[in-house]
Amino acid sequence: QKEVEQDPGPLSVPEGAIVSLNCTYSNSAFQYFMWYRQYSRKGPELLMYTYSSGNKEDGRFTAQVDKSSKYISLFIRDSQPSDSATYLCAMDSSYKLIFGSGTRLLVRP
Amino acid sequence: GAVVSQHPSWVICKSGTSVKIECRSLDFQATTMFWYRQFPKQSLMLMATSNEGSKATYEQGVEKDKFLINHASLTLSTLTVTSAHPEDSSFYICSACLAVSSYNEQFFGPGTRLTVL
Repeated sequence: QKEVEQDPGPLSVPEGAIVSLNCTYSNSAFQYFMWYRQYSRKGPELLMYTYSSGNKEDGRFTAQVDKSSKYISLFIRDSQPSDSATYLCAMDSSYKLIFGSGTRLLVRP
Repeated sequence: GAVVSQHPSWVICKSGTSVKIECRSLDFQATTMFWYRQFPKQSLMLMATSNEGSKATYEQGVEKDKFLINHASLTLSTLTVTSAHPEDSSFYICSACLAVSSYNEQFFGPGTRLTVL
């Protein structure tokens, strides 16, 4: 079993839709949870990070962490074609990041 | 924000040659840099952790003699793929770590695409 599981997609939605991206994990020691966005042939860029359980909002993006269920989510409101990318969840383990496999998102105009 | 650069962005080489990839933190000093490898449509796999002035720590299954890492200064780490073969073709990404309180944020470079013929 992988430490971090993420549905690879692709996920195709119309412009303006609410997008829900999710990851599950097995290691209860993880404390920091990150979401990265990666455009094709580019390095990942950090969207949000959350410490422990709870919600965090930044503009159109909301990150949720449920440590009891070992489940994290990223919601994107009013999705735009420019949001089309691969979204990777990542978790901090002793200063190393463990990444999910990434979900490809396509927002159709 | 913190900027990390990589050079070259793209390289093609013949089998058996060595390739050096540079990773630089442009506007901050990074005591720790990481090297990742990413195959198409797959996630980033950590290869090694590089600390300035000391030997790199390699992940299990990564050949130390094949992937030479040097972290000579607080702003520069290099990855040398020695005697490259077609199976080494991949997207190599570095990151540099900036300590923010108790959370060590990693800033990623744009990646280097290596194609070995």
